[in-house]
This record gives sequence, structure tokens and C-alpha cells, in this order.
Amino acid sequence: SAVISQKPSRDICQRGTSLTIQCQVDSQVTMMFWYRQQPGQSLTLIATANQGSEATYESGFVIDKFPISRPNLTFSTLTVSNMSPEDSSIYLCSVEAKGGGFTYEQYFGPGTRLTVT
Amino acid sequence: GNSVTQMEGPVTLSEEAFLTINCTYTATGYPSLFWYVQYPGEGLQLLLKATKADDKGSNKGFEATYRKETTSFHLEKGSVQVSDSAVYFCALISGGSYIPTFGRGTSLIVHP
Repeated sequence: SAVISQKPSRDICQRGTSLTIQCQVDSQVTMMFWYRQQPGQSLTLIATANQGSEATYESGFVIDKFPISRPNLTFSTLTVSNMSPEDSSIYLCSVEAKGGGFTYEQYFGPGTRLTVT
Repeated sequence: GNSVTQMEGPVTLSEEAFLTINCTYTATGYPSLFWYVQYPGEGLQLLLKATKADDKGSNKGFEATYRKETTSFHLEKGSVQVSDSAVYFCALISGGSYIPTFGRGTSLIVHP
């Protein structure tokens, strides 16, 4: 299993500014992911955070808007740049780690609730 | 491609009522199926899973059976509690991917 913490848990930001969200895992993991959950919507994968190389972004998401760092196997950051009200969402960090037996499962952090005014 | 369809919410029930949240899917190959729960103000937690046809996942009184013939994975609970109020997400992993495809989520509200 994996226990994930995120900072901050919530923030209210002005448009045009940037916010960096931190994700810390209690064990070394290979795969780390960042998701966005817009109000009343399902989860959308933003990118896979790769250790030692650039993140892999999904269609519709770009590095200039959502730069990601992954300096080691337990930590990652996501920055939401030049924010607009449309960026108001919950941002979730996720990892793939061993579950029961020999299976791998996805574990999620508590999320960062961002409101842009 | 893969997709997951869940019934629209919110689902509003009285305590001790029977719960069903429908989930159907389309997928390549033989997917693994999951239900996640998101309590207010928290991230997603894995509730239960099933990895092959006719498997039944169960946890905390919730059950779901992997039905290949109807491509469904409906979530059920015999007697809900107020503490079960949350958003429930159906998801699948298939085609060699390690990234889940999520449904839209179904909000459950249980009244005393």
C-alpha cells in the first residue's frame, strides 16, 4: 500500500498567479500521476510524472501550463501556471503501488482544492 | 477505446435502504474492474475490485459482481448508513494500461 500526502489541502488564488502543489509518498514508487477533478466531473489524467525525465502529458495538457517535477521516487510537484477561474478544480496525486498479494493498485492523495478568483 | 458509464446521481436513500449503483463498460481485452469511494473533502479510496468474469468484489458490506455477458459491475449494499454518503466511481483498467478509466461518479446521500 501507499500513504500519500498533499500540500496545500486547499487554496484560493488570484487569476494570473501560479500555485505549486506538493505530493509526498511514504514509500518509493515508480509511477506517479496527477489528475484534475472539475466540479461535478470525473477524474481527468493530466500527466504521468517520470523520475529523471520529463513528464508525459495527456492530450489537452501542456508543460507550460502544468509544469511537473519528480526529483525522486517519493516526491512530485505540479504547478498550475497563469491561473484562470477555469482552473478551479481538485488536483489529485496518485501512485501505483503493490496492493494485496501480487497485484498493483492505484492510491490517491487527499487532493488539493483550488479556487481561482 | 475504453469507457465507463455510471447512473446519474444524486442517489438519495433513507438509512437501512438497499443500494444499487449501476455501472457498465466497454473495453478492449479483459479488463479489471474497480469501485472507488470519495468521502467529502477526501481523495479517492479503493472500495473493491474484480479481475475476471464472475468474480465478486466485496468490502464494508458493499458488493459488485463482474458480469462479462452484460459488461456490468453494479455496486450493491443491503443496508446503507449515513456514513456511506459519498461519491462512488466505477473504473476499469484494460489493454495493458496501468491507468484507470473512470466513470463520472455517482453521489450517494443517505438520510437518517
